Amino acid sequence: DTAVSQTPKYLVTQMGNDKSIKCEQNLGHDTMYWYKQDSKKFLKIMFSYNNKELIINETVPNRFSPKSPDKAHLNLHINSLELGDSAVYFCASSPSGQDVYGYTFGSGTRLTVV
Amino acid sequence: AQSVTQLGSHVSVSEGALVLLRCNYSSSVPPYLFWYVQYPNQGLQLLLKYTTGATLVKGINGFEAEFKKSETSFHLTKPSAHMSDAAEYFCAVSPGGYQKVTFGTGTKLQVIP
Repeated sequence: DTAVSQTPKYLVTQMGNDKSIKCEQNLGHDTMYWYKQDSKKFLKIMFSYNNKELIINETVPNRFSPKSPDKAHLNLHINSLELGDSAVYFCASSPSGQDVYGYTFGSGTRLTVV
Repeated sequence: AQSVTQLGSHVSVSEGALVLLRCNYSSSVPPYLFWYVQYPNQGLQLLLKYTTGATLVKGINGFEAEFKKSETSFHLTKPSAHMSDAAEYFCAVSPGGYQKVTFGTGTKLQVIP
């Protein structure tokens, strides 16, 4: 069983479209995250949810909107996609927001905006 | 505020040689430190972590790291490199609590047969 699963794995779309990425974890963790990894492998946190409550909201465009229907799921919706949104998006989870345990990452969603 | 510096974006070692990947951090509070590995087209996997206690921590795949407070370092080592160790390695620091983890820029390890 995959611990943190993301769908889709690849996403190619045109500028201006709206798309969603889904993430689910079956580890019973309380906290989930979205990270963006750019072409130079730099990882930047976007959002963090703890038990469905938003606890970290970095400076990202309003076009990005996370939603956590329950603590096992964290989705990312992106409106009006731009070329600069092309990246790999990783979902991760941890037992709690107390960052002593380390994260379990999903395998990523490679988003290409053309 | 916290930051992580990984010295060397690319490191090449011969198979069987010592692996040393360098990580220096800055943190205003006692940090939690992590090393992650990322294989091509995969997510990051936790190799090891330092929270409190013993400063030499052992992780998976034969890797270990030593927390040196005086040097603000957390270097990753492995006595003998295997071809399967070729990957990108990330050092990360967290102040704990509900604070964000800061990742380094990564070091790509190449293992030469």
